[in-house]
Amino acid sequence: EVQLVESGGGLVQPGGSLRLSCAASGFSFSNYAMSWVRQAPGKGLEWVSTISGSGANTNYADSVKGRFTVSRDNSKNTLYLQMNSLRVEDAAVYHCAKGSSIGWYVFNYWGQGTLVTVSS
Amino acid sequence: DIQMTQSPSSLSASVGDRVTITCRASQSISTYLNWYQQKPGKAPKLLIYTTSTLQSGVPSRFSGSGSGTDFTLTISSLQPEDFATYYCQQTYSTPPYTFGQGTKLEIK
Repeated sequence: EVQLVESGGGLVQPGGSLRLSCAASGFSFSNYAMSWVRQAPGKGLEWVSTISGSGANTNYADSVKGRFTVSRDNSKNTLYLQMNSLRVEDAAVYHCAKGSSIGWYVFNYWGQGTLVTVSS
Repeated sequence: DIQMTQSPSSLSASVGDRVTITCRASQSISTYLNWYQQKPGKAPKLLIYTTSTLQSGVPSRFSGSGSGTDFTLTISSLQPEDFATYYCQQTYSTPPYTFGQGTKLEIK
């Protein structure tokens, strides 16, 4: 059974940093691209970042480019999102999502998410 | 960036009803359109990919159609477990792969 479990969320002041983690199990982690998708309270879904299975390729939404860094440790089956220079508008539930065999960006499994609150 | 617009934003319907949700892209996306279902407090679930292919385990009452800029998700006979929010997502060309704003399907 595929499982994705996020952690690392919390309350941070504007300008601060957080590192999110996503522990994956139930599939061959290194064979799949992984992504972060966020959802502000009461709002819709926003793609944030994607990393290839090997970790060699990454891309980011313009809204986070230069501030967020996605990475993965395939030996630990874990995905990360380092978030720096956080803004109030970054507050959201952050889901990790697994790319499918159809495509990197067709997300066939999602985690429940971890809540990031940015407030002074 | 490609903008995705869903209509309606919310919809009230009864068990057994046939329901259609529309998703329109700001430019042609061929058939690179996916649909997700999300229940309150839960992770999104992939329902349909590349416009009309049902994800494994998704009931056949769900169907998708369209091409170019206009797409539909149809639920042929609403079941109690179908009341949720539905999102379309385009995966055409290069990122960002944008989502629609969502359609909340509520019980009448």
